[in-house]
Amino acid sequence: DAGVTQSPTHLIKTRGQQVTLRCSPKSGHDTVSWYQQALGQGPQFIFQYYEEEERQRGNFPDRFSGHQFPNYSSELNVNALLLGDSALYLCASSLLARGGTEAFFGQGTRLTVV
Amino acid sequence: SQQGEEDPQALSIQEGENATMNCSYKTSINNLQWYRQNSGRGLVHLILIRSNEREKHSGRLRVTLDTSKKSSSLLITASRAADTASYFCATDEFLNRDDKIIFGKGTRLHILP
Repeated sequence: DAGVTQSPTHLIKTRGQQVTLRCSPKSGHDTVSWYQQALGQGPQFIFQYYEEEERQRGNFPDRFSGHQFPNYSSELNVNALLLGDSALYLCASSLLARGGTEAFFGQGTRLTVV
Repeated sequence: SQQGEEDPQALSIQEGENATMNCSYKTSINNLQWYRQNSGRGLVHLILIRSNEREKHSGRLRVTLDTSKKSSSLLITASRAADTASYFCATDEFLNRDDKIIFGKGTRLHILP
């Protein structure tokens, strides 16, 4: 049973470019959340997708957008990249349930903006 | 914004000793979770404790939760070199009743040989 998989593992982009990161959730999970983790910091919540719609959003600009597909996989898009967008981007999958369940994380995509 | 704050920020102990990390949070919660992260890689889920639970064990891990003080502690007994990692507490907000989880800044644990 594959866990959460993210691609690519590393990426280097130039300031102003656009990037798309991908995530496949753990089998049986229907909810995907994205996090940004700067060096030495805890993960910051970007947004969460369920049933192909954005359910919740953190304090991130509209340059950050996403999508969830019918097979529950998800993409994170970032437009007009800034140097400050350099970070580890983590995807987490879970099964939506009131009361909360543990989220399973992928290994992340290391994005470097130069 | 970050809900949880771990304490200490960094901790170095000898192999075999016990390591204790603390987490404080601000709002009422449904659950509190602890995660481990090795060298900037993905987070590994360690344990989830619900708001109506006070203590939970998993192998060498012991987690306590004090909702009156809005705090939790993670105890790792008989530490090993492989326990060297960053540890994060993560909470969800009770009023929201969704499973968006908010992380603290983490405790960096270093086990000395």
